[in-house]
Amino acid sequence: AQSVTQLDSQVPVFEEAPVELRCNYSSSVSVYLFWYVQYPNQGLQLLLKYLSGSTLVESINGFEAEFNKSQTSFHLRKPSVHISDTAEYFCAVNGGSNYKLTFGKGTLLTVNP
Amino acid sequence: DAGITQSPRHKVTETGTPVTLRCHQTENHRYMYWYRQDPGHGLRLIHYSYGVKDTDKGEVSDGYSVSRSKTEDFLLTLESATSSQTSVYFCAIRGTSGTDEQYFGPGTRLTVT
Repeated sequence: AQSVTQLDSQVPVFEEAPVELRCNYSSSVSVYLFWYVQYPNQGLQLLLKYLSGSTLVESINGFEAEFNKSQTSFHLRKPSVHISDTAEYFCAVNGGSNYKLTFGKGTLLTVNP
Repeated sequence: DAGITQSPRHKVTETGTPVTLRCHQTENHRYMYWYRQDPGHGLRLIHYSYGVKDTDKGEVSDGYSVSRSKTEDFLLTLESATSSQTSVYFCAIRGTSGTDEQYFGPGTRLTVT
């Protein structure tokens, strides 16, 4: 069975500061990894995904995540955040052949002016 | 946008009444999912479907049933609503890329009084 641990439930930062949202997973099989973002009162949107190949993946709005197999981590980073990045971020992992995702409990990123 | 709609978007109901939430998709996806989202718990899978009339339980299925008589519709029923079922409910579909990413509807906020 897979599990996902998001190490911080809340991360407050100031605008233009760098941020890292941490995600660790456990799985006995090869995995795909995902980050989702949820803006207030909205559904979840896929932010980026790791499938295979390059361990660094990027989103269109400046976020990146690095897959580290030895540390079973998939941390999300952004070098300079904006007020509009305020949202909840969820890490998710698949695994096996059951076509299901396991989600972390989420990290609320609050960007302050 | 994966063409997913949920109805109703908001509902207030009384304890003991039956409630049905509808998820509708327009792109013929085989896999559909129902989650509930609660503070501190992230997203938890209630039930999922892998085809018409093919459904299975998730991790928090007690008190919920589902039906899928058409590819495009996946219904979640609370047979006798309880206050513990107050939550935000999300429907999702599995994308067609073969990598298990999911796309979410806008959610239904259910309050059981």
